[in-house]
Amino acid sequence: DIQMTQSPSSLSASVGDRVTITCQASQDIRNYLNWYQQRPGKAPKLLIYDASNLETGVPSRFSGSGSGTHFTFTISSLQPEDFATYYCQEYDSLPFFGPGTKVDI
Amino acid sequence: EVQLVESGGGLVRPGGSLRLSCAASGFIFSDASMSWVRQAPGKGLEWVGRIKTTTDGGTIDYAAPVQGRFTISRDDSKNTLYLQMKSLRSEDTAVYYCTTHRGYSWGSVFDYWGQGTLVTVSS
Repeated sequence: DIQMTQSPSSLSASVGDRVTITCQASQDIRNYLNWYQQRPGKAPKLLIYDASNLETGVPSRFSGSGSGTHFTFTISSLQPEDFATYYCQEYDSLPFFGPGTKVDI
Repeated sequence: EVQLVESGGGLVRPGGSLRLSCAASGFIFSDASMSWVRQAPGKGLEWVGRIKTTTDGGTIDYAAPVQGRFTISRDDSKNTLYLQMKSLRSEDTAVYYCTTHRGYSWGSVFDYWGQGTLVTVSS
C-alpha cells in the first residue's frame, strides 16, 4: 500500500497569512493527488484535483503543485472560513488519504 | 443539483450487520462510479470501497480492513448505492459518506459527498 504523510499535522495562522501544507507519498503517484477541506461537522469538500487543478467554484487563493512523491498545497491569503482540516488523497492505485492538517487560529 | 443522502446508520452490537443506503439525485446515477468513505470519531478519512458502473462491468474494490466483511452494490433503477456491513467491529464505528467520482470516471476524485450517516458498534 502507498503511505501518505502530511506536514505539519497542525498549524496556527492568522487571517491574511500564506499557508503551505506538504504531502509526501511513499512511491511515485504521478499527479494522482487531490486536496480536500473539511470543516467541523461537515462533509469534505474537493478543492484541488490531479495535483494542481482547481475544482470549479473554489476560490483562486487555493492552489496545488507537485508530482511524483512530493506535493504542496497553498492558501495564498487565509480567510476566516478557511480554518478547517485539509487532507491530501492519492489515487494512483487504491485511494488513500493523508492524516490531515488542522489549520486554526 | 447533485444530492446524496445516506441512511441506515445506528447502533449495532459487535458481530452484527447493518446496511447503509445512499439515495442519489441530480445526475445520471447509472453513469457514475461511486465510493464509500468513512471517518471514525475525531479521526481522519478512510476510503472503504468503490463500484464501477454496471455498463463498465460493475467492478468493485475494497480497502483491506473491510475486505470480506463489507459488500458494495448499486440499484440503478432506484438511483441508490448500498453498503452491506457484517461482522462489525468496534473499529468500524464511524460516519460513513457516499461520494461520486468526478467526471463519471473510475479515477477516485471525490467531488460530491453526502452528509454522512453514523454507525456505532458497541455492546
